[in-house]
Amino acid sequence: ELKVEQNPLFLSMQEGKNYTIYCNYSTTSDRLYWYRQDPGKSLESLFVLLSNGAVKQEGRLMASLDTKARLSTLHITAAVHDLSATYFCAVVNTGNQFYFGTGTSLTVIP
Amino acid sequence: SAVISQKPSRDICQRGTSLTIQCQVDSQVTMMFWYRQQPGQSLTLIATANQGSEATYESGFVIDKFPISRPNLTFSTLTVSNMSPEDSSIYLCSVERGSRYGYTFGSGTRLTVV
Repeated sequence: ELKVEQNPLFLSMQEGKNYTIYCNYSTTSDRLYWYRQDPGKSLESLFVLLSNGAVKQEGRLMASLDTKARLSTLHITAAVHDLSATYFCAVVNTGNQFYFGTGTSLTVIP
Repeated sequence: SAVISQKPSRDICQRGTSLTIQCQVDSQVTMMFWYRQQPGQSLTLIATANQGSEATYESGFVIDKFPISRPNLTFSTLTVSNMSPEDSSIYLCSVERGSRYGYTFGSGTRLTVV
């Protein structure tokens, strides 16, 4: 079974600071997704990474994928309170099934 | 891109009863996926539902407990049977919008079993 691990699980950071969330997965995959979930809400798609070396940026968030290292990162630049949420990475296996990471609960403190 | 309507959005149920969750997609899709998210946890895939065939269940999930129907290419139901408080979770359905766009999720069903 494909395993997807994120770290840290919990992250408390001050506004204006930078930080990186890491996503490691256990088997070969060339598709990785990042999602955001606000409390009590469904999942919002943030990034779709489809190839080794892919980098996507949206606002203060930037995601990258290294398929050889089986690693993706989500970098937060100059955090603001609105970014407080839980962030999930997810990897697709050869059977087109999604496996989610453990999630990173981010709290941005004013 | 696909839009998913999921209902009910929440329910409180007595133990021993069953609840059926519905997902309607606004376009035809081959596969639909059902997930469970226990409180404070990540999402776990329950099963994959293909139209015209039996659903494929992940380890730890069985058809008797989570029967799934997929009568056509735009609709699926998940039933949580003989519920216990341990079944209290958010249940979500999902479809793929194409590899470039990833997967879309329904709004979720928040189930509380008392």
